[in-house]
Amino acid sequence: KAGVTQTPRYLIKTRGQQVTLSCSPISGHRSVSWYQQTPGQGLQFLFEYFSETQRNKGNFPGRFSGRQFSNSRSEMNVSTLELGDSALYLCASSLGQGRNTIYFGEGSWLTVV
Amino acid sequence: SQQGEEDPQALSIQEGENATMNCSYKTSINNLQWYRQNSGRGLVHLILIRSNEREKHSGRLRVTLDTSKKSSSLLITASRAADTASYFCATDPYQGGKLIFGQGTELSVKP
Repeated sequence: KAGVTQTPRYLIKTRGQQVTLSCSPISGHRSVSWYQQTPGQGLQFLFEYFSETQRNKGNFPGRFSGRQFSNSRSEMNVSTLELGDSALYLCASSLGQGRNTIYFGEGSWLTVV
Repeated sequence: SQQGEEDPQALSIQEGENATMNCSYKTSINNLQWYRQNSGRGLVHLILIRSNEREKHSGRLRVTLDTSKKSSSLLITASRAADTASYFCATDPYQGGKLIFGQGTELSVKP
């Protein structure tokens, strides 16, 4: 079956703009989580959604937000982009019942100029 | 903040040799997962080991978990050039989708 799909794969934005990234989880998976990966900070957890509810949140400013739809697809939004937001954003999905394997997508490369 | 540390940060070996990577973590966990990441790509899941398991195998991979020492190791046997990648351990102390990652080990396998 299809894996975790993220769009777009690459994008360039200007400081101050906003961006929306999309994620389609593996069919049947109800948990979607988002991570930011940068050379300096490594892989950091942003937030997790399960059945349209945010269940966990990382230590990121309010400019980072997300949502999950009834079909489990998820979007994350970053407003008022800063240069430091340049990163690989990874989406992951799982069954969401704890102790489950978590699968990642290929990521969305965001460059802020 | 990172849950733990991986050791070594970089490892260079010849094809056919074994590669061992270690991961330490700080809090109690439900399970620990290992991932591989090729440059610029997403994370590929390798193996999940539960907190009540001590060892697990998958093909050329062998993972051990010592919860008393809060550590895990990943052994890749008979390595190949295609194994060149970064390897990350991730723990799940909260259940659900919140994984805490180590900094990763960069493995280079020379033909």
